[in-house]
Amino acid sequence: SQKIEQNSEALNIQEGKTATLTCNYTNYSPAYLQWYRQDPGRGPVFLLLIRENEKEKRKERLKVTFDTTLKQSLFHITASQPADSATYLCALDFQAGTALIFGKGTTLSVSS
Amino acid sequence: NAGVTQTPKFQVLKTGQSMTLQCAQDMNHEYMSWYRQDPGMGLRLIHYSVGAGITDQGEVPNGYNVSRSTTEDFPLRLLSAAPSQTSVYFCASSPLHRSYEQYFGPGTRLTVT
Repeated sequence: SQKIEQNSEALNIQEGKTATLTCNYTNYSPAYLQWYRQDPGRGPVFLLLIRENEKEKRKERLKVTFDTTLKQSLFHITASQPADSATYLCALDFQAGTALIFGKGTTLSVSS
Repeated sequence: NAGVTQTPKFQVLKTGQSMTLQCAQDMNHEYMSWYRQDPGMGLRLIHYSVGAGITDQGEVPNGYNVSRSTTEDFPLRLLSAAPSQTSVYFCASSPLHRSYEQYFGPGTRLTVT
């Protein structure tokens, strides 16, 4: 069955640095890959979507890459701020499946 | 727009009781879905709907029922609550289908004792 791994449960970095979060998957590649932010006690909020034929997507300080050879997506937050502290989820959509499959998330803490 | 709304925010049930979690969206989205989120398990799809009158099962449908009589509403029914259904439940909607960004509600925290 398809598996998703997000690099670690927790990532601690200093303000101003670039945070890099990893989403790895097994078996076949998804048609779409999405990243969400989730704050404690709230629902996930959509950030970025990248398609399998796209290598990179940017939105303000956020950048997502998608490498189907490595079966990996990287999510970067540049010039990180304490307000970026949250849990970040990757979600994969395999056209043949019935579900948008979510990773367990990585909790990012940005200290000032 | 209110977006996706869910009621109640919190609920405590006894084993065997039934209840309905409400979900509504005012964005005229065709695709709606229910997820549960458990520590260490991530979000798992329970049921989804691609439009009024059409529903289908997700990854973990046992013990839950859904219906979609209108575009706006997608209630989730727990038939006979079990402690294993203690979780946080999220409803989500999307303009077309799951391959587009999902708009999530604020969640319902359910405890079954």
